[in-house]
Amino acid sequence: SQTIHQWPATLVQPVGSPLSLECTVEGTSNPNLYWYRQAAGRGLQLLFYSVGIGQISSEVPQNLSASRPQDRQFILSSKKLLLSDSGFYLCAWSGIPSEQYFGPGTRLTVT
Amino acid sequence: KQEVTQIPAALSVPEGENLVLNCSFTDSAIYNLQWFRQDPGKGLTSLLLIQSSQREQTSGRLNASLDKSSGRSTLYIAASQPGDSATYLCAARSGYSTLTFGKGTMLLVSP
Repeated sequence: SQTIHQWPATLVQPVGSPLSLECTVEGTSNPNLYWYRQAAGRGLQLLFYSVGIGQISSEVPQNLSASRPQDRQFILSSKKLLLSDSGFYLCAWSGIPSEQYFGPGTRLTVT
Repeated sequence: KQEVTQIPAALSVPEGENLVLNCSFTDSAIYNLQWFRQDPGKGLTSLLLIQSSQREQTSGRLNASLDKSSGRSTLYIAASQPGDSATYLCAARSGYSTLTFGKGTMLLVSP
């Protein structure tokens, strides 16, 4: 069966510090991968999605970036965090095109 | 641009009641619609996926319907239980890979 992992589970970072969140999927190959952010009162916002290694599509302009160095690994990064980057970050995967399955999420607090 | 609205934003019912959660979308050209459950501080759990060619899907006490022409979907929960308390999110797939989420309905089932 397929499993999706995210780490860390929680993170507290000062403004201006870098960020790296990792997501890995097991039990499937060539999945579509997604990064979402969930902020209070704003619902789920799609940040990036990837249909293959090295292929990243950005949905919104921001100071975040994403990379997919391996088929089942998706990384969300920032060089300098802003207060507005605080939120709950969720990684998801899907087949083509099919149900999306979500990871447990990372709670990021920027102080 | 697809927009998804969920009504009501919050719902409180006594245990045993049947209830309906509503979801509407502005662009009827969808591939599918997915219902999720989210417990506080957790990731999303997929409940039901309805393809654009389907009218409804059932899983246990859950039944989801889809009316593309009117841009509506409903999630019916039969014989509600306190364990059903969570936020329920619907999401419409308009593009090849991306989902547009509503802001959710927060459900509280009292014993």
